[in-house]
Amino acid sequence: EVQLVESGGGLVQPGGSLRLSCAASGFTVSSNYMSWVRQAPGKGLEWVSVIYSGGSTYYADSVKGRFTISRDNSKNTLYLQMNSLRAEDTAVYYCASPSEGEGAFDIWGQGTMVTVSS
Amino acid sequence: DIQMTQSPSSLSASVGDRVTITCQASQDISNYLNWYQQKPGKAPKLLIYDASNLETGVPSRFSGSGSGTDFTFTISSLQPEDIATYYCQQYDNLPVTFGQGTRLEIK
Repeated sequence: EVQLVESGGGLVQPGGSLRLSCAASGFTVSSNYMSWVRQAPGKGLEWVSVIYSGGSTYYADSVKGRFTISRDNSKNTLYLQMNSLRAEDTAVYYCASPSEGEGAFDIWGQGTMVTVSS
Repeated sequence: DIQMTQSPSSLSASVGDRVTITCQASQDISNYLNWYQQKPGKAPKLLIYDASNLETGVPSRFSGSGSGTDFTFTISSLQPEDIATYYCQQYDNLPVTFGQGTRLEIK
């Protein structure tokens, strides 16, 4: 069974850092186009970042320079390093991927909540 | 960035009704348009990919159409379990962008 499981969320002060993890099973992180998508409380979906199978990375303007997407092929895990966190980064963070190619996100994790507050 | 304008933002309908949601892209995205369903506290679920293709296992009452800038999502006969928020998403260009969502309620 294909599964993505996020972890690492929690409460952090403004300006702080957090690293999210997304562990994959039945699915190879390095072979796929992996994204992070977030959802602020009561709001819609916002794409955050992507890492391609070749290693190229891209970010939403709202997080560029503060967030870093990466993966550990040996652990089959995707990461999102979040620095200089702001209140507006408060959201549920999902990892998501197409099971094939670079199309629709048919595989999603359950999400992990990040709260930025003093 | 490509803007996705989804309407309506909320919709109340009766069981058995035909429900239609529209999504307009700010530029031509060919058929690089997907539709998701999200229930409270859950991750989004893919329903329609590439504008009109039904994801495996999704009931046939769900359908999608359109290309270019104008897209439509339809539930042919609303069921109680369809209560959710629906999002369109384009992936023609980065950043991937979503519509603002349509909250569907039972009348």
